[in-house]
Amino acid sequence: EDQVTQSPEALRLQEGESSSLNCSYTVSGLRGLFWYRQDPGKGPEFLFTLYSAGEEKEKERLKATLTKKESFLHITAPKPEDSATYLCAVRGLNNNDMRFGAGTRLTVKP
Amino acid sequence: NAGVTQTPKFQVLKTGQSMTLQCAQDMNHEYMSWYRQDPGMGLRLIHYSVGAGITDQGEVPNGYNVSRSTTEDFPLRLLSAAPSQTSVYFCASYRAGANVLTFGAGSRLTVL
Repeated sequence: EDQVTQSPEALRLQEGESSSLNCSYTVSGLRGLFWYRQDPGKGPEFLFTLYSAGEEKEKERLKATLTKKESFLHITAPKPEDSATYLCAVRGLNNNDMRFGAGTRLTVKP
Repeated sequence: NAGVTQTPKFQVLKTGQSMTLQCAQDMNHEYMSWYRQDPGMGLRLIHYSVGAGITDQGEVPNGYNVSRSTTEDFPLRLLSAAPSQTSVYFCASYRAGANVLTFGAGSRLTVL
């Protein structure tokens, strides 16, 4: 069964303090690893899709990387507006079922 | 484009009552799905549809029914609500081949 585990559950950073979020996964036939951002009271918003080990994607202060067993979301010099819950998900052989991790709740203090 | 629209945003039910959560999308997406989000458990797939007239079960389908009579609409029905169905429900859709889910704003359901 496809599984996704995210760590840490919660992360508190000072503004400008860089860090990384981890997403470990097991999946039969990876058809995509996805990162979403979720603000309180809202639906998840798409950030990145990664398809193969070694792939990297960047957007502003965020960079996502992928290995055969895990993905990292690196946050460089974060700002308070980066505070949110970050969700990781995988799509495997069952292309209609995307499995989500429980998320990492990030708080960036000014 | 409004994207994915869910109604209602909040609902309180008593055990045994029935209700329907509405979901509509205006992006002509073939695929639509319902997830529930519970603390510490992440989003879990309830039911999905790959097109009008076609539905299938996800990871946690018990207690829920769906139908897809049009491309735009995908309602989720609770026939006899239970406290275990207290959760936040999200509807999502994507266009075939695009692979990226677009989510609605969510519906918070409390069953007393």
